[in-house]
Amino acid sequence: AQSVTQLDSHVSVSEGTPVLLRCNYSSSYSPSLFWYVQHPNKGLQLLLKYTSAATLVKGINGFEAEFKKSETSFHLTKPSAHMSDAAEYFCVVSEGRGSTLGRLYFGRGTQLTVWP
Amino acid sequence: GAGVSQSPSNKVTEKGKDVELRCDPISGHTALYWYRQSLGQGLEFLIYFQGNSAPDKSGLPSDRFSAERTGGSVSTLTIQRTQQEDSAVYLCASSSPYGYEQYFGPGTRLTVT
Repeated sequence: AQSVTQLDSHVSVSEGTPVLLRCNYSSSYSPSLFWYVQHPNKGLQLLLKYTSAATLVKGINGFEAEFKKSETSFHLTKPSAHMSDAAEYFCVVSEGRGSTLGRLYFGRGTQLTVWP
Repeated sequence: GAGVSQSPSNKVTEKGKDVELRCDPISGHTALYWYRQSLGQGLEFLIYFQGNSAPDKSGLPSDRFSAERTGGSVSTLTIQRTQQEDSAVYLCASSSPYGYEQYFGPGTRLTVT
């Protein structure tokens, strides 16, 4: 069975400081992992994905995430937060890939607030 | 190119009425998914269509919910005899057979009064 736990429902940082959003997953198979972002009243946008290639994954807007199988973690980081990063972030897991990607399992989300 | 589109963007309906929500996936995408986003339940999977295979309906919360996909493209999610707990944002996504990600539409916000 698949599941995702986002360890913080809210994270607040000052502009220019690092961002860390934590995610742990549970999967019976070698998973595909994603981070999606949702800005207020906007749709879900893919930030980055891990699909069994390099364990350090770089995404859009300076975000990156590291897949750690031993810790079953996929934490999202950014060296320097920007005001425009304020949004809700979802960690997502799927068992499949490509044509068998299948359904996604979402974490409950982390609301990121960025203070000026 | 065009992304996933959904209509209507907002729908207000009275309890007990039926509603239909529409999704147009990205052209060439063979897989189509419906999810629901609500405050209490977060993002939940509803149903998944992959090509000509039988759909995975395992996420539908009750038999009042159904979906079809015509011609391998457009999909309609139907909710019969709506209840207040059906109020949520209904999201549609599609994916290609060669990619790894699902592309989401803007959603339909359903309010049942």
